[in-house]
Amino acid sequence: GDSVTQMEGPVTLSEEAFLTINCTYTATGYPSLFWYVQYPGEGLQLLLKATKADDKGSNKGFEATYRKETTSFHLEKGSVQVSDSAVYFCALMNYGGSQGNLIFGKGTKLSVKP
Amino acid sequence: DAGVIQSPRHEVTEMGQEVTLRCKPISGHDYLFWYRQTMMRGLELLIYFNNNVPIDDSGMPEDRFSAKMPNASFSTLKIQPSEPRDSAVYFCASLGLAGGGSYNEQFFGPGTRLTVL
Repeated sequence: GDSVTQMEGPVTLSEEAFLTINCTYTATGYPSLFWYVQYPGEGLQLLLKATKADDKGSNKGFEATYRKETTSFHLEKGSVQVSDSAVYFCALMNYGGSQGNLIFGKGTKLSVKP
Repeated sequence: DAGVIQSPRHEVTEMGQEVTLRCKPISGHDYLFWYRQTMMRGLELLIYFNNNVPIDDSGMPEDRFSAKMPNASFSTLKIQPSEPRDSAVYFCASLGLAGGGSYNEQFFGPGTRLTVL
């Protein structure tokens, strides 16, 4: 079945460091890909998305490019801030089976130190 | 729109008691999802509804868990009897075209943190 694998954390960075969180997926067909973020004590929020190959999703300085050839959707940010500390989830939605059903990775906790 | 609303935000109960979690989806959304989040297992889909009809409940862990959606604006997740291993954060999410949405984005509620002693 469909699945998402993302790098395990926790990831600890200093402020203004470069961030990469790796995400790869296995899916039939042409899924849409997402990054969700969960701040402490809150629910998940959509950070960015890409619905077809070579699309780049971006938001709040974060970017991810849908790479079908490598089945990847790595999250990057050039300069992280303390306020970016959160758990990041990679996810896919495949319409071949269950409409709207998200499949999540296990999450990567990011801590940014001042 | 106020977004997805869940209640209560926190619930502490004793083993054996019945627990009912509530969710109000975004108005006009036609899909509703229940998830459970734990440190050990991450995010798990428990069940989801389309137009108030349960579509896939394969993630419901045991018969102690049940979910209903009596109308388009309300859903419940019930655990009876509750056990300590049910302690988790339970999220509700909705999806739909209403309000400028799309079938590409689920909107999550703030979650209910359940502690079973």
